Order: sequence, then structure tokens, then C-alpha cells
Amino acid sequence: DAKTTQPTSMDCAEGRAANLPCNHSTISGNEYVYWYRQIHSQGPQYIIHGLKNNETNEMASLIITEDRKSSTLILPHATLRDTAVYYCIVANSGYALNFGKGTSLLVTP
Amino acid sequence: SAVISQKPSRDICQRGTSLTIQCQVDSQVTMMFWYRQQPGQSLTLIATANQGSEATYESGFVIDKFPISRPNLTFSTLTVSNMSPEDSSIYLCSVQGAANEKLFFGSGTQLSVL
Repeated sequence: DAKTTQPTSMDCAEGRAANLPCNHSTISGNEYVYWYRQIHSQGPQYIIHGLKNNETNEMASLIITEDRKSSTLILPHATLRDTAVYYCIVANSGYALNFGKGTSLLVTP
Repeated sequence: SAVISQKPSRDICQRGTSLTIQCQVDSQVTMMFWYRQQPGQSLTLIATANQGSEATYESGFVIDKFPISRPNLTFSTLTVSNMSPEDSSIYLCSVQGAANEKLFFGSGTQLSVL
């Protein structure tokens, strides 16, 4: 699986958009970009995933660059409950996910 | 979405003993995985639990230490054998229903070894 690089930590003011970047320059053509988050003491929660096109669901938007070497997860209106560790993972579908260190997002009042 | 029930949610065990963790899913799933999360760390894949055959272990994990069963498409167990304090971690069960489907995670088992 391709490796990912994420900032260690980020802050975001409540109500503002949180933009979490991820670099995956060695991604292969059939690997997806997955985003999960883990709130303290809970199992990881799926957020969104995509292959080439930008994706949006009720939780977030995923913007993937045309060369697929990086992506950005956007939480449009961050709330205090969005404080968590966010993991960007690239993997083939049908395989286990290998988690990196992720980005610790702190949403402040 | 799959609902995963993991038991026990937490346990405190003595050194040298073994603990079996159960993972029950509310629907049949093709892929089941076991992860470990050591204190302050990210998740590490232990093994893939294969239905009807032996589990596939990742580098650094062996069957004698972490035996896994997968008797059917909705259930799996992970045993942590001959425990030491270094085994104190959260152990998580994860499932994937079909190819290209997202992974669902259980709430984990918080294990403390004294």
C-alpha cells in the first residue's frame, strides 16, 4: 500500500471549515483514498472514500488532485464533536487498511 | 451498515494468562480483521481472519501468541495468549462486507495486563 503523509496536528475554530491535507505521491492506479476518524476511546469511524473524482456525503467532502498524489478532507462546518484523530489511508478495495499516525484535529470554541 | 458487537469491552488480566475476545457481526461479511492499538499509537493490523481456513498474520504477529478462529461469516475470536504487560492495548475487530465497501470497526476491547 502507498504511504501517506499528514500533518501531526491542526486547529480549527468551531463553525469554520476544517481542511485536512494528505499527501500520497506513490499511490497506484487502483488504490482508493479512504478517510477515517477516531474519537477518543472509540473505534475508527468511516468518513468518506474516493478513487479519482471528488466525493461528498453528509459528513464531509473529499477533494482529490488530478494526479491523485494528494487529497483534502473538508469538514464544512466543524463542531466540537469533530475533535478527533483523522486518518488518510490509501488501499486497494477488499484489503485491510494500514493506518498511519493521522492528524489530530482540535476544534475550539 | 454492519453492526459489530465486541466482548469484553475491557478487562484486567494477570500476567501469564490468556484472554479470548469475541467479535459478532449482525450480517454475513466476507472479510474480518483484527487490529491492535497500543497506548498513544495508531492501529496496527494483526491478522485477517479467514472463514474456514487459518488466519493470515502480519509481520511481527504469530499464531501461537494470537490464535484466531472464524467458524462462520458472522463471528470471530482473537485470543491473546500468555499475556505480559506489553500486551496492554486496545484490540479492535473490523469487517468489510463486500469488495470496495468501507470497513466497519467494533468499539474495541481495552486490555490491561498486570
